Amino acid sequence: DGGITQSPKYLFRKEGQNVTLSCEQNLNHDAMYWYRQDPGQGLRLIYYSQIVNDFQKGDIAEGYSVSREKKESFPLTVTSAQKNPTAFYLCASIDTRDTEAFFGQGTRLTVV
Amino acid sequence: GENVEQHPSTLSVQEGDSAVIKCTYSDSASNYFPWYKQELGKRPQLIIDIRSNVGEKKDQRIAVTLNKTAKHFSLHITETQPEDSAVYFCAASGYSTLTFGKGTMLLVSP
Repeated sequence: DGGITQSPKYLFRKEGQNVTLSCEQNLNHDAMYWYRQDPGQGLRLIYYSQIVNDFQKGDIAEGYSVSREKKESFPLTVTSAQKNPTAFYLCASIDTRDTEAFFGQGTRLTVV
Repeated sequence: GENVEQHPSTLSVQEGDSAVIKCTYSDSASNYFPWYKQELGKRPQLIIDIRSNVGEKKDQRIAVTLNKTAKHFSLHITETQPEDSAVYFCAASGYSTLTFGKGTMLLVSP
């Protein structure tokens, strides 16, 4: 069953902690993206990667980091430098440019 | 970079009415314009898309129009039903990224 999987579904972070959100796809897509969703703000691009071992900052990259060591995986780390991390995070993958983006089910991160 | 503006932010209609959501984009190099529907607590899913060499595309009750000269595109939903209630996002694909509008919450009342 092909798809894109995010884990965990819910994540709680204490002040000052780093946390890592997982995103795995078995669609053999080259491009992967991380978006942050806040109420009324739409989907804002954090980081994207178009090929293994390469990634680019999006519009709101500060306080986040990523890696792309394998084609299937694109984990996102929310660092302590991100001052307002509470949000819904969505990972997406795209086969080739200008085709459908497939989204994971999202991770809801809450700072406690 | 690309900037996508979407209006309105909320839209309430009666069942059976039509709904129109409009988007504008800034980068003339963008050539792919998808629309996504997101139901509460779920992931966005593609409902229709259009490429720059096409002016209009229809799929049953849903249609999208594109005016490249004016840099705007619109989603039209006819004969709305309560299950159409969701948040709808437009997007524009530029050189390497997919930029989304802020979304429109559509509420269809029975």
